[in-house]
Amino acid sequence: RKEVEQDPGPFNVPEGATVAFNCTYSNSASQSFFWYRQDCRKEPKLLMSVYSSGNEDGRFTAQLNRASQYISLLIRDSKLSDSATYLCVVGEDSNYQLIWGAGTKLIIKP
Amino acid sequence: NAGVMQNPRHLVRRRGQEARLRCSPMKGHSHVYWYRQLPEEGLKFMVYLQKENIIDESGMPKERFSAEFPKEGPSILRIQQVVRGDSAAYFCASSPGGVYQPQHFGDGTRLSIL
Repeated sequence: RKEVEQDPGPFNVPEGATVAFNCTYSNSASQSFFWYRQDCRKEPKLLMSVYSSGNEDGRFTAQLNRASQYISLLIRDSKLSDSATYLCVVGEDSNYQLIWGAGTKLIIKP
Repeated sequence: NAGVMQNPRHLVRRRGQEARLRCSPMKGHSHVYWYRQLPEEGLKFMVYLQKENIIDESGMPKERFSAEFPKEGPSILRIQQVVRGDSAAYFCASSPGGVYQPQHFGDGTRLSIL
């Protein structure tokens, strides 16, 4: 079983719609959570950290569900520029590394 | 710009040559990570270094690949006797340390093997 799992997609979504995707993690001791986005052939960029209380940044909302061991990313009023691959990242105290999901590809269509 | 600096952006080598990729972390960051990304695939962790120490190299091939992060200067990822399969994007990331800190990435080096 993979430590961090994501639906690879692609998610094809019309512009203006709301889209959400989840990421599950296997280690219940995981302590930190992040969402990154990666555009084609570019470097990953930090989108947002995910806190226990959830957090929102403009059109983006991230939630953490410790009981079910997943984090979610919600994008409202999607824009064409939101097309990218979204990477889920999880950190564990016992492991100094961040564990990366394989990413979910999102395509926003006009 | 105090971001993570990688060079060169593009590197072309013939089979059997050596490739050296450089990474200068963000100011104040002492932890460096190298990743490889093949076309149409996800990021694959290679190695994690702190100054003068390799902390985890479990993702790095045992042969031909080596990495260092000297006391002075950038981190270097070295690939000896390159083969076609080494063609990929190599990303470097840095962080202040600890799993509570996100990693910040450089632009990457695109390595092409002729």
